[in-house]
Amino acid sequence: GQSLEQPSEVTAVEGAIVQINCTYQTSGFYGLSWYQQHDGGAPTFLSYNALDGLEETGRFSSFLSRSDSYGYLLLQELQMKDSASYFCAVLDNTDKLIFGTGTRLQVFP
Amino acid sequence: GAGVSQSPSNKVTEKGKDVELRCDPISGHTALYWYRQSLGQGLEFLIYFQGNSAPDKSGLPSDRFSAERTGGSVSTLTIQRTQQEDSAVYLCASSLGGGFTDTQYFGPGTRLTVL
Repeated sequence: GQSLEQPSEVTAVEGAIVQINCTYQTSGFYGLSWYQQHDGGAPTFLSYNALDGLEETGRFSSFLSRSDSYGYLLLQELQMKDSASYFCAVLDNTDKLIFGTGTRLQVFP
Repeated sequence: GAGVSQSPSNKVTEKGKDVELRCDPISGHTALYWYRQSLGQGLEFLIYFQGNSAPDKSGLPSDRFSAERTGGSVSTLTIQRTQQEDSAVYLCASSLGGGFTDTQYFGPGTRLTVL
């Protein structure tokens, strides 16, 4: 079957760095995406990795290792507004996007 | 310009009725996506359109679900003979290019409640 695993919850303090991991098992793989969703809000697209390596966009970075079927989202200089749920998603070879169950990040002062 | 808009914002219907959900993407965006999110759950991908065509419709949960997009713009998601398990927030997103590599901009969603 197809599955993506990510931790259900992560906590951290303001200013810290947090890494949210995602391992996947899917039928084919085109790329790994990350989304942010605040409570009651719509998801916001954060990043897409098709190739191995680290991609940086401001305080957020996303990493992919295709050989390990693994990726992570790295959030630096955490702010209270980063408290949200973060979803990883894999685009498989049938043009379907498979989502993980989400990681709830809580940032404390 | 305006973002992605969806209508209605809320829809309450009785089991067995048909509903139609509408999505207006950002002008000029060629790709359009439909997702579903049940309470406290992750996102479930339903279908995406590149222009007016949908390369793969197998993400739709059942044959009661259908979607179309006309004129490369507005899309409608239709659910026939609604069931209680269809209750969820239905989200639409659009992107300038397709293939999931471009930034997707989400609409506010339609909250569907089937009684």
